Amino acid sequence: QKEVEQNSGPLSVPEGAIASLNCTYSDRVSQSFFWYRQYSGKSPELIMSIYSNGDKEDGRFTAQLNKASQYVSLLIRDSQPSDSATYLCAVNKGGGGADGLTFGKGTHLIIQP
Amino acid sequence: DAGVIQSPRHEVTEMGQEVTLRCKLISGHNSLFWYRQTMMRGLELLIYFNNNVPIDDSGMPEDRFSAKMPNASFSTLKIQPSEPRDSAVYFCASSLVGSPTEAFFGQGTRLTVV
Repeated sequence: QKEVEQNSGPLSVPEGAIASLNCTYSDRVSQSFFWYRQYSGKSPELIMSIYSNGDKEDGRFTAQLNKASQYVSLLIRDSQPSDSATYLCAVNKGGGGADGLTFGKGTHLIIQP
Repeated sequence: DAGVIQSPRHEVTEMGQEVTLRCKLISGHNSLFWYRQTMMRGLELLIYFNNNVPIDDSGMPEDRFSAKMPNASFSTLKIQPSEPRDSAVYFCASSLVGSPTEAFFGQGTRLTVV
């Protein structure tokens, strides 16, 4: 069983619509959850972190966490062509110390103008 | 503030040669992570250090790979001898020990072994 699973896509969304990206994880002890954006040929860039159940909003981005269902999602409102990228879900077992992140393989998002 | 700095950005080497990748942490950070990214396997954690001490090297593929932190702000990842299957993008990332543990990535080194 893969530790962090994402649909690889591509996920195609019209400009201005809401893009919804999903991620499931297998290890129930996981405590920290992150979304990274990676443009082609570039390094992963942290865009959201979430640590407790519920929603966390930052600008056009909303992260949602449901630990009972082992499910994390990222919503992007008012999608822009510049949002086209691969979105990586990452999970960290540690809530205090710095442990390495386990990444999903990413979802390729395409925003159609 | 300067981010995580990796060098070289690109490396092409012949099979059997030694390769050394370098990483400078963000000032003040005390955790260092080495990742490898390929199309097939995605982004994989190779090894990480807290306060210069290797904590988990279970992701290092085999003995040909070694990593060091000679000081608090610098790390090297060495592959000796290199093989074509080592071709990948190698990222290092740094963070602060503690909560929350948000890691920031360098620009990566694209390694090609021919």
